[in-house]
Amino acid sequence: AQKVTQAQTEISVVEKEDVTLDCVYETRDTTYYLFWYKQPPSGELVFLIRRNSFDEQNEISGRYSWNFQKSTSSFNFTITASQVVDSAVYFCALSEEETSGSRLTFGEGTQLTVNP
Amino acid sequence: DVKVTQSSRYLVKRTGEKVFLECVQDMDHENMFWYRQDPGLGLRLIYFSYDVKMKEKGDIPEGYSVSREKKERFSLILESASTNQTSMYLCASSIGPRTEAFFGQGTRLTVV
Repeated sequence: AQKVTQAQTEISVVEKEDVTLDCVYETRDTTYYLFWYKQPPSGELVFLIRRNSFDEQNEISGRYSWNFQKSTSSFNFTITASQVVDSAVYFCALSEEETSGSRLTFGEGTQLTVNP
Repeated sequence: DVKVTQSSRYLVKRTGEKVFLECVQDMDHENMFWYRQDPGLGLRLIYFSYDVKMKEKGDIPEGYSVSREKKERFSLILESASTNQTSMYLCASSIGPRTEAFFGQGTRLTVV
């Protein structure tokens, strides 16, 4: 069965610090997709990135970067030079193509607080 | 823009009532999902549907049922509401397993 674990429940940093949010997943499929979402205080989840299991290239988008490592089943998310507006709950999610059809499974979420 | 609309932002219901939470998407997505979100537990999948009239149980289906009579609409039903069903309920839709899901604004349900 697919599973996503975000071991960090809460992280608190000071503005301009770098911060990494961890995500570890379990799957039996060879084809799967990983996602990160942001949930700001307003409540609506915002999609950040999708990565498929065949693409292990790291991705950078502005201050955000993602490190996908199949060998350790991890898909970690780093925010460089954090800002107060980055304060939110961040969720990692997994979708399998073969075994579970369209099921989309989320981790527990990490509450990030960036203090001025 | 993709839009997923949940019928209510806030609901207060009494124990034992039958409760309907409605969700509509306007992008002709195949898949629709119902999650509940509780502090420390993240988003837990209640039910999902990959086609009209098709549904599959998620991780916590007990006490819930769903209905998908039309592609754009996915309803979550609490057959007999209980206080432990007080939670934030999130609806989402997606084209398929390869694509991101789009979420509604959530319904905060309180059962008293």
